[in-house]
Amino acid sequence: EAQVTQNPRYLITVTGKKLTVTCSQNMNHEYMSWYRQDPGLGLRQIYYSMNVEVTDKGDVPEGYKVSRKEKRNFPLILESPSPNQTSLYFCASSIIGEPQHFGDGTRLSIL
Amino acid sequence: GESVGLHLPTLSVQEGDNSIINCAYSNSASDYFIWYKQESGKGPQFIIDIRSNMDKRQGQRVTVLLNKTVKHLSLQIAATQPGDSAVYFCAEGFQKLVFGTGTRLLVSP
Repeated sequence: EAQVTQNPRYLITVTGKKLTVTCSQNMNHEYMSWYRQDPGLGLRQIYYSMNVEVTDKGDVPEGYKVSRKEKRNFPLILESPSPNQTSLYFCASSIIGEPQHFGDGTRLSIL
Repeated sequence: GESVGLHLPTLSVQEGDNSIINCAYSNSASDYFIWYKQESGKGPQFIIDIRSNMDKRQGQRVTVLLNKTVKHLSLQIAATQPGDSAVYFCAEGFQKLVFGTGTRLLVSP
């Protein structure tokens, strides 16, 4: 089954403790992206990647890092999480120029 | 800055009615628009898209209309069903997607 898989789906952690949210897709898509979703603000793009070793900032990249060492994986790294990064996070992938497919989300709570 | 917005936060309809969800955008250079559906606990699901060289596109029970003169986009759902209850987002762009804040569609039997 074609899918975008995120892990973990839920995480409660504390300020300053580094965490990584993994994202994997099995559709051989070149493009991958991370979004955060907050009430009243909709989805906002954090980072995206057009291919292996190619990443670019989205609209809200501060406090986040990404890497794209393999085509199928695009982890989101929070080096020193803060409470304002409490949010619902989505990973997406696509063939470039086509609609993005989304994972089911990761809910992060940072205390 | 550029934005994509929605007119109404909630739309309530009866089963069998036609639903119309509206969206305004501000970037006159936008050339690709997408509608997504998001059910509770899930990620956005692609419904239909349209490019700026078109003003209408139809899918199964859904139609998207694009009015570039007034920078307005709408999603029409025919014969709305309870399973259509969800939040609907319009979005603009290819690699750098800009989303609206969403409209919640409530369908009552």
